[in-house]
Amino acid sequence: LAKTTQPISMDSYEGQEVNITCSHNNIATNDYITWYQQFPSQGPRFIIQGYKTKVTNEVASLFIPADRKSSTLSLPRVSLSDTAVYYCLVGDTYSGGYQKVTFGTGTKLQVIP
Amino acid sequence: EAGVVQSPRYKIIEKKQPVAFWCNPISGHNTLYWYRQNLGQGPELLIRYENEEAVDDSQLPKDRFSAERLKGVDSTLKIQPAELGDSAVYLCASSSQDYGYTFGSGTRLTVV
Repeated sequence: LAKTTQPISMDSYEGQEVNITCSHNNIATNDYITWYQQFPSQGPRFIIQGYKTKVTNEVASLFIPADRKSSTLSLPRVSLSDTAVYYCLVGDTYSGGYQKVTFGTGTKLQVIP
Repeated sequence: EAGVVQSPRYKIIEKKQPVAFWCNPISGHNTLYWYRQNLGQGPELLIRYENEEAVDDSQLPKDRFSAERLKGVDSTLKIQPAELGDSAVYLCASSSQDYGYTFGSGTRLTVV
């Protein structure tokens, strides 16, 4: 099983770019990398998913080096509403569902005014 | 689209009492998951369904927990009898091949 390691917490000021790195040394060939965001009293919410190189959407970018043993979630110009826990997941999404995917403890991002 | 709907939102019960949680996944999502999330921790998988079949229930404490997904749509998770250590948020999620999980808002269970 691909285990992930993330920093437990991070602080950032409003308007700054935040980069959260996740290590997944034993990622398998079929595994995708997915990031989720969780606010208090809510379930985790999909942010972005990638397999290799760079993926960008309207809320974040995901950078994956060639060896795929790590990934970096980049949040541009964070605001107070980005304060949340961010989870990095690695798993095989073949057949329409995550198989043997484990959530870690995530990274608690605190955005400071 | 309503998303994944869970009920109740909150539940407080005395230990040794039974409790049940209900989940309605996103229409067309064949895969359904029940997770338990303790305070300050990430969600932990309890059971995964492919349609009506439980394909991974290795983490489900089968002595007191049970789940069903009749007709491959709605699902119910039951605890009987509940213990103090079962206090947690119980999350339901469904998934498609394109965008991974969609989670419900969860049921916060407090056992007193």
